[in-house]
Amino acid sequence: AQSVSQHNHHVILSEAASLELGCNYSYGGTVNLFWYVQYPGQHLQLLLKYFSGDPLVKGIKGFEAEFIKSKFSFNLRKPSVQWSDTAEYFCAGGASGGYQKVTFGTGTKLQVIP
Amino acid sequence: GAVVSQHPSWVICKSGTSVKIECRSLDFQATTMFWYRQFPKQSLMLMATSNEGSKATYEQGVEKDKFLINHASLTLSTLTVTSAHPEDSSFYICSAPLGPGNTEAFFGQGTRLTVV
Repeated sequence: AQSVSQHNHHVILSEAASLELGCNYSYGGTVNLFWYVQYPGQHLQLLLKYFSGDPLVKGIKGFEAEFIKSKFSFNLRKPSVQWSDTAEYFCAGGASGGYQKVTFGTGTKLQVIP
Repeated sequence: GAVVSQHPSWVICKSGTSVKIECRSLDFQATTMFWYRQFPKQSLMLMATSNEGSKATYEQGVEKDKFLINHASLTLSTLTVTSAHPEDSSFYICSAPLGPGNTEAFFGQGTRLTVV
């Protein structure tokens, strides 16, 4: 069965700290992977996506993620977080080649303390 | 990027009434849209795939007679929660991909439904 799991449900960091949010997936075939962010009261927004090619993907706002096939992981990273990064982050995965019917992880709430 | 608009953003209704939620792709055509539901402190769960001009495809465990989906045009899909009950209170989100293949999907802002 297709699944996406996120390890951290709630993360609290001070500004300038480094961030890494874990995401593991379980898919039978080739997979597309995404990280979405939801700021309070706003739409889900795409941070970055991996379809193929370079496993290190750079997204908006200084975020990046690395696809490690051997570990079935797609962790999200940012070297130095800001207060404005306070939001909920969702990892998602979908079968490659089809419409983007994705399975979401449970989300990680990130709170950045000034 | 492309824009998907959902309306209303929040709604309160009485038990037994029906509520319609609209999902519009504003600057692109979407032959397929997805409806998700999010319970508090849980992930988004796919409810159904809405297909323009044909019947929606429901995920296992989702009652199609309770959650009516209509995709009458290339820019509009509607989700109607019929005979709503308090347990239907949730956050409903739609998304629309730009097209088939490896393309991005854009999300609406979500609808907070509260049934009292």
